This record gives sequence, structure tokens and C-alpha cells, in this order.
Amino acid sequence: NSKVIQTPRYLVKGQGQKAKMRCIPEKGHPVVFWYQQNKNNEFKFLINFQNQEVLQQIDMTEKRFSAECPSNSPCSLEIQSSEAGDSALYLCASSRDREGYAEQFFGPGTRLTVL
Amino acid sequence: GDSVTQTEGLVTLTKGLPVMLNCTYQTTYSPFLFWYVQHLNEAPKLLLKSSTDNKRTEHQGFYATLHKSSSSFHLQKSSVQLSDSALYFCALSPANSGTYQRFGTGTKLQVVP
Repeated sequence: NSKVIQTPRYLVKGQGQKAKMRCIPEKGHPVVFWYQQNKNNEFKFLINFQNQEVLQQIDMTEKRFSAECPSNSPCSLEIQSSEAGDSALYLCASSRDREGYAEQFFGPGTRLTVL
Repeated sequence: GDSVTQTEGLVTLTKGLPVMLNCTYQTTYSPFLFWYVQHLNEAPKLLLKSSTDNKRTEHQGFYATLHKSSSSFHLQKSSVQLSDSALYFCALSPANSGTYQRFGTGTKLQVVP
């Protein structure tokens, strides 16, 4: 069973507010991914890290989204100014290896609702 | 670009019947294919993975064979159970094209008594 921890499980924000969620990857997993799963269950990759270094990120995360994985602290994903379209389940996953064949272990997600 | 297609949004079956969930992919790189299962309010969990052409891989009664000639990785089970009701996602990780996985839109499997 996955031991990726995500907090909080539920987050409710007003439009324009900041929304911050955290992820503790499985022990020994240096690679962390953030995905957005919308109400139609579609996954969208946001950003990934190896240790503290960003590996890849999509354009969306370069604007209103910020993320970091500091040493000895939980990883975090923050939306600077929430919009209604940001309402989704945000999934964190971790992996032992950055290579494509490596299994990703998912946390239960943070469900963000933007009113 | 790299993508995954799952054609069925919802599959409803009676317990005990066989199931096949379709997955096709598109990539110019050598592919790694995955099937994940997501039960209600739970995290997605890996069910199967493969990168070997024409080799069947099995886990927990589910099986799939990667066919590079048809770019497919269909998920099958010979006899579904009520506990199999969940969302099933096919995902692609193209070699040499970044580490993140491209997910299909998912198929909801509903098993009824």
C-alpha cells in the first residue's frame, strides 16, 4: 500500500485566494509528481521534482502555480490566486526513479473546491 | 504528441462475466504502459505494467498484453467480481520523453450482482 501522505484532504477557497497543499513522498523516493484530476476524471500533469530540482512542468504551473520540494520538509503545491476552474483533485505521486518504467505511488489527493 | 485513448467511459457487467477495457496509445518513442485502478475516494494504484512486446503480464486476476504493432494494451479479466467496480486508467510513459505518465480518460467499471 502506498505511503504517500497528502494534506489537507479537503480544501475550500474563494476565488482569488491562495490554496496550498502538501505531500510527503514515500521514504526513499526522490522523485515527486503533481497531477490534477478534474471532475471528468481526466489527469493533467503539473510538475515533477527530483529531490529539490524541478524536472518538468507545464505552462500552467509556470504562472499561477508554484511548487517546491525543500530538503527535510514536505513538498508543496500552491495556487497563488484560485479560480473556479482550479477545482479538482490534486494528486501527489512519488517514485524511486526518474525513468519512465518506474512505478508511481499515489497519495489520496487533496480535493480543492473554489467557490 | 504522446497520448492514450480509452474508448469506453462506462462498462456495466454482471458478476462472473469476462471484461476487456480498451487502451490504445500514440508515441514515437519506445513505450512503457501501465494500468491503474482507482476505487472511490482512494488513491490510484498500479495494477499492471509492461514494456515488452507480445508478452502477457498478470496481477490479481487481471492481465494485459502490449502489442506494439497495434499500439494497444487492453486490460482483461476472465470473471469480474463486485469488488472490481472502480475507475481504470491506462497510462503511457514514453522512453526518452520525460518521466511523467500520460493518462487516458479512464473507464468506470460497474459490476452488478
